Amino acid sequence: GDSVTQMEGPVTLSEEAFLTINCTYTATGYPSLFWYVQYPGEGLQLLLKATKADDKGSNKGFEATYRKETTSFHLEKGSVQVSDSAVYFCALTRSDSNYQLIWGAGTKLIIKP
Amino acid sequence: SAVISQKPSRDICQRGTSLTIQCQVDSQVTMMFWYRQQPGQSLTLIATANQGSEATYESGFVIDKFPISRPNLTFSTLTVSNLSPEDSSIYLCSVRTSGGLGDTQYFGPGTRLTVL
Repeated sequence: GDSVTQMEGPVTLSEEAFLTINCTYTATGYPSLFWYVQYPGEGLQLLLKATKADDKGSNKGFEATYRKETTSFHLEKGSVQVSDSAVYFCALTRSDSNYQLIWGAGTKLIIKP
Repeated sequence: SAVISQKPSRDICQRGTSLTIQCQVDSQVTMMFWYRQQPGQSLTLIATANQGSEATYESGFVIDKFPISRPNLTFSTLTVSNLSPEDSSIYLCSVRTSGGLGDTQYFGPGTRLTVL
């Protein structure tokens, strides 16, 4: 079945460091791919999405490119801030349904000043 | 996008009681979802709630334990019945919208439930 695999956390970085959080997926067909962020004590917010191969989603300095050849959707940011500390979830839509999400386990990001 | 509110934001309940969580959306949506997020874990879909039809439950979740109402296109409730400490989780509602970003799910802030 469809699945999403994220790099294990926590990921700890210093402020202004470059961030990569890896996400790979297994799916039949052509899923849409998402990154959601959950700040401490809050619900989930959609960070960015991509709907087809080679699409790049971007928001708040974060980017991720839909790579069909490597079945990946890695999240990147050039210079992280303390306020980026959160848990990041990669997700895809099920191939047999365009609305149910398959979730990765989440990656906790800690940014130190 | 959609703005979603949930009540209560958190609650502490005794074993054997029930908690009803309300989810309100600022626009009419067909599809609403209820998720559970256990401590330190990812999200698990409990059920899909469409207005005018019975909720569809995922494997491992039953209506007797998690009854859902969907009286209109902007509101839903999830009840967690006969509470046990294992039900301590964050419960989130979400909605599916179609628009500039295509099909996208938006989430409420969650309800943090602690069962003693």
